[in-house]
Amino acid sequence: SQTIHQWPATLVQPVGSPLSLECTVEGTSNPNLYWYRQAAGRGLQLLFYSVGIGQISSEVPQNLSASRPQDRQFILSSKKLLLSDSGFYLCAWSPRTYGYTFGSGTRLTVV
Amino acid sequence: GENVEQHPSTLSVQEGDSAVIKCTYSDSASNYFPWYKQELGKGPQLIIDIRSNVGEKKDQRIAVTLNKTAKHFSLHITETQPEDSAVYFCAASNFGNEKLTFGTGTRLTIIP
Repeated sequence: SQTIHQWPATLVQPVGSPLSLECTVEGTSNPNLYWYRQAAGRGLQLLFYSVGIGQISSEVPQNLSASRPQDRQFILSSKKLLLSDSGFYLCAWSPRTYGYTFGSGTRLTVV
Repeated sequence: GENVEQHPSTLSVQEGDSAVIKCTYSDSASNYFPWYKQELGKGPQLIIDIRSNVGEKKDQRIAVTLNKTAKHFSLHITETQPEDSAVYFCAASNFGNEKLTFGTGTRLTIIP
C-alpha cells in the first residue's frame, strides 16, 4: 500500500533562517506531488505541484521554492524565512487519476 | 479556472441529529468531487467521493449527493457523534487536471 511521510512534525525557526521540509511517498511511482499551506483556522492554499522529476509549478509567488530531486521526494525550501511564512504545511500525492492523500503536516512557527 | 464555494463556514449540531454541508462549483467539466475531514493538528483525510456518472453515494452514516445540472454537491452526516467534530472540505476537479480545487471549509461541532 502507499504511504506518505512528512517531516518534521513541528518546527520553530527564527526570522531570516533557512527552511527545508521533506516529503516522501512509498508504494507508488510517478505520483503527482503537492505542497499546501494552511493558516490557522483557514483553508488550503496550494503552493506548488509537480507532475515529474524536476517539474515544478508555482501557484503563488512568494518566499518559498520547491524541488523534486527524485520521483517520490518533494522538498519545500526557503532561503530566509519571514514571520508570514508561519503556518501548517501539508504535502499530498495523487496517482494521476482521482484523489489526493495528505501527509500529517508540519507546523512551522517563525519567531 | 474552477471555483468552489462551501457553506456554511461553521455548523453546530446536537449529537444524534443530521448535518448537511453544501458546495457549488463553476466548471461544468468537473467530474470528480471528494470530501475531506480534517481533525485538529492533522492532515485532511478523504472520507467519501463521487464521480459525475452517479447522483448519490453512501458509506454508513455519510452520504454525498451530486446535482450536475445545478452544479452543486452536498455532504450528509446522519446520527452525528462527537467524533464527527472536525473541519470538512469539499473539492472538485476534472480528470486530467492535476489539481483539486478546494472549498473554504466547514467547522462542524457536535454538541453532546
